[in-house]
Amino acid sequence: QSALTQPASVSGSPGQSITISCTGTSGDIGSRNPVSWYQQYPGKAPKLIIYEGDKRPSGVSNRFSGSKSANVASLTISGLQAEDEADYYCCSYAGNDRLLFGGGTKLTVL
Amino acid sequence: QVQLEESGPGLLKPSETLSLTCAVSGYPISSNYWWGWIRQPPGQELEWIGSIYYDGNTHYSPSLKSRVTLSVDTSKRQFSLNLNSVTAADTAMYYCVRQIGSGSWAFDSWGQGTLVTVSS
Repeated sequence: QSALTQPASVSGSPGQSITISCTGTSGDIGSRNPVSWYQQYPGKAPKLIIYEGDKRPSGVSNRFSGSKSANVASLTISGLQAEDEADYYCCSYAGNDRLLFGGGTKLTVL
Repeated sequence: QVQLEESGPGLLKPSETLSLTCAVSGYPISSNYWWGWIRQPPGQELEWIGSIYYDGNTHYSPSLKSRVTLSVDTSKRQFSLNLNSVTAADTAMYYCVRQIGSGSWAFDSWGQGTLVTVSS
């Protein structure tokens, strides 16, 4: 069982918006610790798309946005495109050199 | 544009030591970034192993700390991972990564990964 809980799968149609949740505890996401999100295509290395909760690295589309409320971090993808179909992982620091990842969410673009 | 490339044996026997090296190009290793390792067992989630700064300071995952050693060679522009007493549970794709500072705990550059299999 993963330390951070994500839905196993989400789906949406092109043009729609979807949100992937990442549920932690007061000791990790809820403690103002930095949260990051990664996109991973099959057989490829992950790619950073959100860091420190809501910041986008240079070159990442502004269709990707991150937010947090209490113990839940969220990744929203707006204007869904076929190329967004991938696995998405959340990550949160939990103090004392503990870095937690979620179990991953498979996004299907219908 | 930083590039990271992992190298090392792909097949180990139980109890052996896993040794991987990551070559860094396109960006100075002696910079304000940390360098680390993350692994992913087949079909499973990511797991952070540890990170090292160019001056040798390290952070290790508590769950692996007793078996892990990271080192850095700035003259060769590379850093390395040693994981001893491996078991089948250590079978995974191993990625070397660049970490955005010690406080962000985010990894903005990744190698292509190297698959390590532990089997007798």
